[in-house]
Amino acid sequence: NAGVTQTPKFQVLKTGQSMTLQCAQDMNHNSMYWYRQDPGMGLRLIYYSASEGTTDKGEVPNGYNVSRLNKREFSLRLESAAPSQTSVYFCASSEAFRGSYNSPLHFGNGTRLTVT
Amino acid sequence: AQSVAQPEDQVNVAEGNPLTVKCTYSVSGNPYLFWYVQYPNRGLQFLLKYITGDNLVKGSYGFEAEFNKSQTSFHLKKPSALVSDSALYFCAVRAAGNKLTFGGGTRVLVKP
Repeated sequence: NAGVTQTPKFQVLKTGQSMTLQCAQDMNHNSMYWYRQDPGMGLRLIYYSASEGTTDKGEVPNGYNVSRLNKREFSLRLESAAPSQTSVYFCASSEAFRGSYNSPLHFGNGTRLTVT
Repeated sequence: AQSVAQPEDQVNVAEGNPLTVKCTYSVSGNPYLFWYVQYPNRGLQFLLKYITGDNLVKGSYGFEAEFNKSQTSFHLKKPSALVSDSALYFCAVRAAGNKLTFGGGTRVLVKP
């Protein structure tokens, strides 16, 4: 049982390049999330998908797009990378969003992205 | 708006001594509170949660946390720390209808 799998683990981009971060979960969870982690700032929500077919903006959505491809997969795209997007990106999933507020999040191991 | 504060960037403790990691929160309505731990180069792992009921909740790896409504706190505790408890700890809160908000994290260093 792999849980939440993220690819790639590491990536270096030049300013202006694009890339897609992939995430898949095998726990049959309804909700999926993308966070970024920066030193001293905790985790900030970029986008989330409460259920298959829906996506919504989080705290810091600018410069990102997402696709909920199916129930298992939720990708994050940087169309034109900027140095401010240098961060560690985490994908997470949970059983439900609304109506199940005690569902803990399950996290992947992260993608470390550097934009030069 | 809801928020979480972890006032200590780092906590140092000797192995075998009690460990406390502090967390205070601000939220409208009843809070749902969580603690997560992050080991190097890994994602966050769920430790424990408070939803309702007993103010003292027990979680994984011998950790527990005490919910104090009057002080709006949810401190994480372990009676006897291990070197392997050295990690980054995050407190998080959500209220009904809201998304999860994380604190800035507290690094715990347990020295042998």
